Amino acid sequence: KAGVTQTPRYLIKTRGQQVTLSCSPISGHRSVSWYQQTPGQGLQFLFEYFSETQRNKGNFPGRFSGRQFSNSRSEMNVSTLELGDSALYLCASSRREDSRWTFGSGTRLTVV
Amino acid sequence: KNEVEQSPQNLTAQEGEFITINCSYSVGISALHWLQQHPGGGIVSLFMLSSGKKKHGRLIATINIQEKHSSLHITASHPRDSAVYICAVKISNFGNEKLTFGTGTRLTIIP
Repeated sequence: KAGVTQTPRYLIKTRGQQVTLSCSPISGHRSVSWYQQTPGQGLQFLFEYFSETQRNKGNFPGRFSGRQFSNSRSEMNVSTLELGDSALYLCASSRREDSRWTFGSGTRLTVV
Repeated sequence: KNEVEQSPQNLTAQEGEFITINCSYSVGISALHWLQQHPGGGIVSLFMLSSGKKKHGRLIATINIQEKHSSLHITASHPRDSAVYICAVKISNFGNEKLTFGTGTRLTIIP
């Protein structure tokens, strides 16, 4: 059974640009959540989607947005990139909102 | 004060020892997760708890809702258990459920 697939694995962007990250959940999983991990702040919750609807949101500025498609695939977009956005971005999927997660390997974003 | 506190921050033990990692939180929660992150960065979800106790192999997780405390135990520890263990709590706030993570416990098991 395929796991959670995140693309791309690595990305280098310039300050001010925008970026879109993709997450394909495990087949049958309808909940997708996104996280940011940095050495300074640790893991932080970005948002959670279930059946194409954003259900929950963390404390990130509006530059961070996401969406979920009818096939449960999800994308995350960061506009007007800042140096501090350099991080490992992880997504996780679960069958329901209240079940265990399966994490992808992450996208490592470097903003220069 | 952080909403989620983990202890200890670092733990080194000999192979075979019984390990306990603690997680305390300061607000009401709807669920608590224990995660394991290996040096390569991959994260594995170990448990999701809302009450009581769960066991999977050598791992046991407990939660005491009244005391706002959870523990993760590893029996017969092995070097492959070396990883960072992170607890995360789901907090409801006016209909929005937000996940808050602890800073992690770095566990090293020496052969």
